[in-house]
Amino acid sequence: EDQVTQSPEALRLQEGESSSLNCSYTVSGLRGLFWYRQDPGKGPEFLFTLYSAGEEKEKERLKATLTKKESFLHITAPKPEDSATYLCAVRGGGSNYKLTFGKGTLLTVNP
Amino acid sequence: DSGVTQTPKHLITATGQRVTLRCSPRSGDLSVYWYQQSLDQGLQFLIQYYNGEERAKGNILERFSAQQFPDLHSELNLSSLELGDSALYFCASSVGPSGVGEQFFGPGTRLTVL
Repeated sequence: EDQVTQSPEALRLQEGESSSLNCSYTVSGLRGLFWYRQDPGKGPEFLFTLYSAGEEKEKERLKATLTKKESFLHITAPKPEDSATYLCAVRGGGSNYKLTFGKGTLLTVNP
Repeated sequence: DSGVTQTPKHLITATGQRVTLRCSPRSGDLSVYWYQQSLDQGLQFLIQYYNGEERAKGNILERFSAQQFPDLHSELNLSSLELGDSALYFCASSVGPSGVGEQFFGPGTRLTVL
């Protein structure tokens, strides 16, 4: 069974203080690792898809990287508006097309 | 705005009742997925439909059922509701049948069972 573990559960940063969120996964035949951002009471907002080890993607202050066992979401010089829960999900091989999500990292950026 | 719409936004009902949640996918998307999000379990996949047919099943209870109509909108039916069914229910959509590629989520329906 696919498993996703995110750490830390919560992270509090000062504005401008860069850091990284971790997503460790076990999956049979990775068919994609996905990062989403979720604001309270709202639907997850798609950020990135990574397909193979060594792949990197960037968007504004966010950069996602992938290895064979984990993914990192690096946040450079964060702003208060980056505060949200960041969710990691994987899709494995086989005929079930579900995404398996981690429980998320709650990021708070203080001004 | 992801382009996925869900109604209603909030639903309050009593134990034993039945409710229907509705989802319209993004224009051009043929796959619809339903997820349940609770505080202790996180986001859990329930079921997927592609172009009107059930494609994959996850942790969906027998009291729950879904369907996708010819116009591609989908409905999730929850019956014999229990307190533990209180959660956020999200619909997501993607272009193809395989699930590979991005899924775009709607704003969700918050269900409260009293």
